[in-house]
Amino acid sequence: QVQLVESGGGLVKPGGSLRLSCAASGFTLSHYYMSWIRQAPGKGLEWVSYMSSSGSIVYYADSVKGRFTISRDNAKNSLYMQMNSLRAEDTAVYYCGRAIPTYHDIPSAYFDYWGQGTLVTVSS
Amino acid sequence: QSVLTQPPSVSGAPGQRVTFSCTGSSSNIGAGYDVHWYQQLPGTAPKLLIYGNRNRPSGVPDRFSGSKSGTSASLAITGLQAEDEADYYCQSYDSSLSGSVIFGGGTKLTVL
Repeated sequence: QVQLVESGGGLVKPGGSLRLSCAASGFTLSHYYMSWIRQAPGKGLEWVSYMSSSGSIVYYADSVKGRFTISRDNAKNSLYMQMNSLRAEDTAVYYCGRAIPTYHDIPSAYFDYWGQGTLVTVSS
Repeated sequence: QSVLTQPPSVSGAPGQRVTFSCTGSSSNIGAGYDVHWYQQLPGTAPKLLIYGNRNRPSGVPDRFSGSKSGTSASLAITGLQAEDEADYYCQSYDSSLSGSVIFGGGTKLTVL
């Protein structure tokens, strides 16, 4: 069965960096677009980033553009998010999600499988 | 404030029908972009409930249904059950500014 397992979360000081990983199993990662979505404590969902199956197409939310970098290693069935210059407002549970695009040239998609999430806390 | 507007809460008794609204604008739902719905049970990750406005993934009961009209979309649950108590989120795409995936603020369903 499809499984996504995030790791790498933790406590980091403002301005610090963290790298999240998402291990995929039960499907061939190289066939699918993938995304990161986050949820601040007690708040709603916020889309963060989106990457095509080959990695050639990447999109970011304005709130993280220039600070976060999504990447993937299809050979390792893994998705990553490098997060730099972290701010208090980045504190959230970060989910990786398998994305099913609804258009080819814009980051329009829905997410048919989600991981359990990993908590990132940015605090001094 | 979310680009897609959802009421903060909805409630219903077991067996009843409840609906959730999701109101957008001409740059998202009104522009023809699909609406998708997710259920988030307490302490768990979101789960896809409806995709492409009205389609149910395998395993989702037909008690759940979706529709879209103009700049709004709706999710309906019939035969409400205690285990349906959860947060429900709508999602679409917005073409304004830099364009991005957007979520509604979520609606908390309480089963009385």
